[in-house]
Amino acid sequence: EAGVVQSPRYKIIEKKQPVAFWCNPISGHNTLYWYRQNLGQGPELLIRYENEEAVDDSQLPKDRFSAERLKGVDSTLKIQPAELGDSAVYLCASSPDGRYLWGYTFGSGTRLTVV
Amino acid sequence: AQTVTQSQPEMSVQEAETVTLSCTYDTSESDYYLFWYKQPPSRQMILVIRQEAYKQQNATENRFSVNFQKAAKSFSLKISDSQLGDAAMYFCAYRSAIGGAQKLVFGQGTRLTINP
Repeated sequence: EAGVVQSPRYKIIEKKQPVAFWCNPISGHNTLYWYRQNLGQGPELLIRYENEEAVDDSQLPKDRFSAERLKGVDSTLKIQPAELGDSAVYLCASSPDGRYLWGYTFGSGTRLTVV
Repeated sequence: AQTVTQSQPEMSVQEAETVTLSCTYDTSESDYYLFWYKQPPSRQMILVIRQEAYKQQNATENRFSVNFQKAAKSFSLKISDSQLGDAAMYFCAYRSAIGGAQKLVFGQGTRLTINP
């Protein structure tokens, strides 16, 4: 079974440019999460989806970040325009559903460098 | 809001020895879950062990065990017979058991080095 797939693995962009990250969760997993992990820190939740509905986006900086999960499967996280402080690893994770009590499956993340 | 603190930025241990990683957390909730995740250079977060707060018995998974002290809000990870493959960043995480609050709250991480 394929795990959570993310792309690209690395991305370097200049500030003020747009960037997008893609996540394909495990098949059948209804809940999808985007986390941001700053250097030397633990991940922090940006947004959580239940199927195609964003049910927790309180930590998403909505002035420049947007996300979508069309048809409740793949998801895209976008930043426009990127700032130097956005340099981080962006992790996607999925779980069978929102009631799943245990840890969920993470992808390998996208490392973003804004120069 | 819940917080998780890992006070050891780095730890090292000799191969085959035992090491303990510390974690404390702050919450006003009585029902929750605690986790230890391993993050190797591949960046994928891998679940090592989990603990339900309502269980008094400490969780064990092969060479990994925890010391869960609910009153002290402490959740340490013990790795026995350390192996080179155990080298990684280790994160302690908290998850509420209430309602739809499904996010994980992570600590800052501990970098574990295994010396051959």
